[in-house]
Amino acid sequence: QKEVEQDPGPLSVPEGAIVSLNCTYSNSAFQYFMWYRQYSRKGPELLMYTYSSGNKEDGRFTAQVDKSSKYISLFIRDSQPSDSATYLCAIGYSSASKIIFGSGTRLSIRP
Amino acid sequence: GAGVSQSPSNKVTEKGKDVELRCDPISGHTALYWYRQSLGQGLEFLIYFQGNSAPDKSGLPSDRFSAERTGGSVSTLTIQRTQQEDSAVYLCASSSSALPEQFFGPGTRLTVL
Repeated sequence: QKEVEQDPGPLSVPEGAIVSLNCTYSNSAFQYFMWYRQYSRKGPELLMYTYSSGNKEDGRFTAQVDKSSKYISLFIRDSQPSDSATYLCAIGYSSASKIIFGSGTRLSIRP
Repeated sequence: GAGVSQSPSNKVTEKGKDVELRCDPISGHTALYWYRQSLGQGLEFLIYFQGNSAPDKSGLPSDRFSAERTGGSVSTLTIQRTQQEDSAVYLCASSSSALPEQFFGPGTRLTVL
C-alpha cells in the first residue's frame, strides 16, 4: 500500500465550477499536509500547508484535513483556466523531514 | 536570483555515459532534496541532505546514482552508465529547518538515447 494515494485524473471542469481534489494517506503519524501546483515544464510550487484537522482558506483555495479518516482535500472555487495544472498533495512527519508526494491530479479548466 | 537554480536545463546523452546535474539551493536553507519525475508521473524521492547529518539515500534506485553536497550548499547528482529508463526530469528542492515548505528548482530534463 502506498503511503499517499491520489487519483491521477485527468479532471476537466468548466470555468467557474468548484473543484475538489483529494488524497488519502495510511500513517496517522503524519503531521504536515501540503498542496503543490505544477504547471507544465515547471517545478512544483507550494499552494497551502496545514498541520491540523479542519479547514484553511486562502482566497479561492481551501485545504481540508480529516485526520480521523486520513483524508485531505483541496477545493478551488470559481475555477479559472489559469488553474489548469497538476496538483500534488504532500505529507510529512515533521518540519525538517522529507515529505511524501501523491502522484498528482491533472486538472483542466475549460473556458 | 533568490530561488533554487538547476543546471543544465536540458541534457541529452548516450546510453552508457555518465552525467552530472547541479543544484544551487536558496541561501541559508539547510535541507536539500532530489526528486525524479517521469512523464505524467508524480515525484519520486531520491535523496535528502539535512545540515551536516548523513544523507538519507533510501530513494536512490541503484548504485549508479550518487549525490554530494559540498559545504552545505551546492549539490551534484551523478548518474553513471546512464540507461534509457533514467530519462526523466530531475528536480531539486530546498527548505529551511523551521518550515516544511520545499522550494523547487525548474528541473533538469534528461534524455538518454
